[in-house]
Amino acid sequence: SQTIHQWPATLVQPVGSPLSLECTVEGTSNPNLYWYRQAAGRGLQLLFYSIGIDQISSEVPQNLSASRPQDRQFILSSKKLLLSDSGFYLCAWRDRRDSPLHFGNGTRLTVT
Amino acid sequence: SQQGEEDPQALSIQEGENATMNCSYKTSINNLQWYRQNSGRGLVHLILIRSNEREKHSGRLRVTLDTSKKSSSLLITASRAADTASYFCATDGDTGFQKLVFGTGTRLLVSP
Repeated sequence: SQTIHQWPATLVQPVGSPLSLECTVEGTSNPNLYWYRQAAGRGLQLLFYSIGIDQISSEVPQNLSASRPQDRQFILSSKKLLLSDSGFYLCAWRDRRDSPLHFGNGTRLTVT
Repeated sequence: SQQGEEDPQALSIQEGENATMNCSYKTSINNLQWYRQNSGRGLVHLILIRSNEREKHSGRLRVTLDTSKKSSSLLITASRAADTASYFCATDGDTGFQKLVFGTGTRLLVSP
C-alpha cells in the first residue's frame, strides 16, 4: 500500500535561518506531488506542484522553493525564513490528475 | 488564490442532526472533491464527484454538484461528535487540471 512520510512534525526556526522540509512517498511511481501551506484557522494555499522530476510549478512568488531530486521525494526549502513563513505545511500526492489527494501529517513551522 | 468558498464558515449542531455545507467555485472543473481535517492533522479525502455527475453518496455523506451554478453541497446525516472537524471542498480548476485548489473550509462542531 502507498504511504507518505513528512518530517519534521514541528519546527521552530529563527528569522533568517534556512529551511528544508522533506516528503517521501512509498508504494507508487511517478506521483503528482504537492506542497500546501495553511495559516491558523484558514484554508490551504497551494505553493508548488510537480507532475514529474524537474517539472515543478510555483503558485505563489515568495522566498520558498521546491525540488524533486527523486521520483518520490519532494523538498520545500528556503534560504532565509521570514516571520510570515510560519504555518502548517502539508505535502500530498496523487497518482493521476483526477484522483484524490493523500496528505502527510504536516509540519507546523514557527518562525521566531 | 482560493478557488472555492465554503459556507457557512462555522456550523454548530447537536448529535443526530444533519449538517449541510456549501461550496462555490469560479472556473470550469473536471471534478470536485470534499476533504475532512481534524485539528492539527492532514486532510483526509471523503468523496469525489465528477463534473458530469449530479449527486453521489457514501455512507452518511451525500454530495450534490450543480455545474450551472458552480456550486456543491455536502450533507452529513445523523451527525456524531466524531464528525467534529473542518471540511474543505477542492476543485481542479483549469490549466490542465493538474492543480487542486481548496476552499476556505467549514468548521463543524457536533455536540453530544
